[in-house]
Amino acid sequence: ETGVTQTPRHLVMGMTNKKSLKCEQHLGHNAMYWYKQSAKKPLELMFVYSLEERVENNSVPSRFSPECPNSSHLFLHLHTLQPEDSALYLCASSQDWDLSYEQYFGPGTRLTVT
Amino acid sequence: AQKVTQAQTEISVVEKEDVTLDCVYETRDTTYYLFWYKQPPSGELVFLIRRNSFDEQNEISGRYSWNFQKSTSSFNFTITASQVVDSAVYFCALSYGGSQGNLIFGKGTKLSVKP
Repeated sequence: ETGVTQTPRHLVMGMTNKKSLKCEQHLGHNAMYWYKQSAKKPLELMFVYSLEERVENNSVPSRFSPECPNSSHLFLHLHTLQPEDSALYLCASSQDWDLSYEQYFGPGTRLTVT
Repeated sequence: AQKVTQAQTEISVVEKEDVTLDCVYETRDTTYYLFWYKQPPSGELVFLIRRNSFDEQNEISGRYSWNFQKSTSSFNFTITASQVVDSAVYFCALSYGGSQGNLIFGKGTKLSVKP
């Protein structure tokens, strides 16, 4: 595996379900990110982890819970979601959490909340 | 306020035409970086280029070229002799001192190249 991988690629869940999105980076990077991409909206940064420590939490509802057990893995735990949470969830990584580094993205998880 | 504006929401061209995607940015920082990403229908954002604020030299990579002009706060992207595979949404992004490693994205320009 190379780059940034995400599983599952597609997920349909009811509002009472609990599910988790997984992201893995094979680039030896120290920073990882979760983004939400909704139709006709700019990319929204949700969470940032640098060296496994959460450094950004952009007013995201508590029904989204991130976890970074090590520098290669990032999870997004989902519970009691709302239909408006349906979106493409993208994971990214960068060498470090610094303005000079580009981010590399995974293919995303297409989430549908019914 | 830091901001990235991509005024063109959608562009449609015929194959082999040249096309320029506009990007205008706002920041008060003197040190900042600009990026372009491509998002094909598969969903993954693909990194294309990074440019720092101290390097105004234009760059060419195959059919792609970028024009960075600090005087107009613009970082435009031109595709020469477009191909159907260039069809995608293209995002311009900005990082600056206050944003650490966070990127400020524009809303994207959807490019459709028709055969």
